[in-house]
Amino acid sequence: SQQGEEDPQALSIQEGENATMNCSYKTSINNLQWYRQNSGRGLVHLILIRSNEREKHSGRLRVTLDTSKKSSSLLITASRAADTASYFCATPDSWGKLQFGAGTQVVVTP
Amino acid sequence: DGGITQSPKYLFRKEGQNVTLSCEQNLNHDAMYWYRQDPGQGLRLIYYSQIVNDFQKGDIAEGYSVSREKKESFPLTVTSAQKNPTAFYLCASSIQRGAGGELFFGEGSRLTVL
Repeated sequence: SQQGEEDPQALSIQEGENATMNCSYKTSINNLQWYRQNSGRGLVHLILIRSNEREKHSGRLRVTLDTSKKSSSLLITASRAADTASYFCATPDSWGKLQFGAGTQVVVTP
Repeated sequence: DGGITQSPKYLFRKEGQNVTLSCEQNLNHDAMYWYRQDPGQGLRLIYYSQIVNDFQKGDIAEGYSVSREKKESFPLTVTSAQKNPTAFYLCASSIQRGAGGELFFGEGSRLTVL
C-alpha cells in the first residue's frame, strides 16, 4: 500500500532554531497532509497541501510539495519546547484512505 | 465541544480474552477508522467504515472485529486470535467518505496483554 516515508527519523534542535523534515511517497496523490503527535496522545492535523499547490503556510509552519520528485517538506520556524513531538506525513490511497509514514521524532531543548 | 472520545485510555488483558475498545464521535462525520500504532512506527489501518452498517478491512484486520450500528459509534474488538495485541489504538473520523480529507483523532487506547 502507498505510504509516505519521513526523513530524518529523529531530530534534536535548540529553541529558536528551525526544524526541517521530509516526506517521500510512491504514487501520484491529490493531497498530502502533515500531523503532529505528542507522546502518548492522538494525532493532530497540521496542514493539507493539494497536488496543484507548491507551498503552504500556517503560522510557523511551511510545507512544500514537489510532485515531480514525489516529496514534501515541513519546516517549523523558530521552534519552541512545545514543538517537541512526532510528525507524520500522510497521503490518501486510491480509495481515499490515508496511509501514514513512520514519523520524525523532534526534540526541542530549551 | 465536538470531538472523538476513546475509552478506556489504558487496558490490561490476559491472553485468550477478547476486549472491546470504545470510540464515539459527535462531529457528525460519515467515515470512521481504527489504526494501530506500535512503538517507533507509523499508523496501520485495521478497519474503516464509510457509512452506518458498512465497514471494510484495512491492512491488518486479522484478529480484530468492528461494528457500525450508529453513526456516532465504531467499537473495535481485539479478539484472542490477534497474536500480538499489545499496542496503541487510535480511532479517527473524517467528514466525507473516501475523500482523503483531514482526519480527526481520539486520544488513543493503550492495550497491554499480560
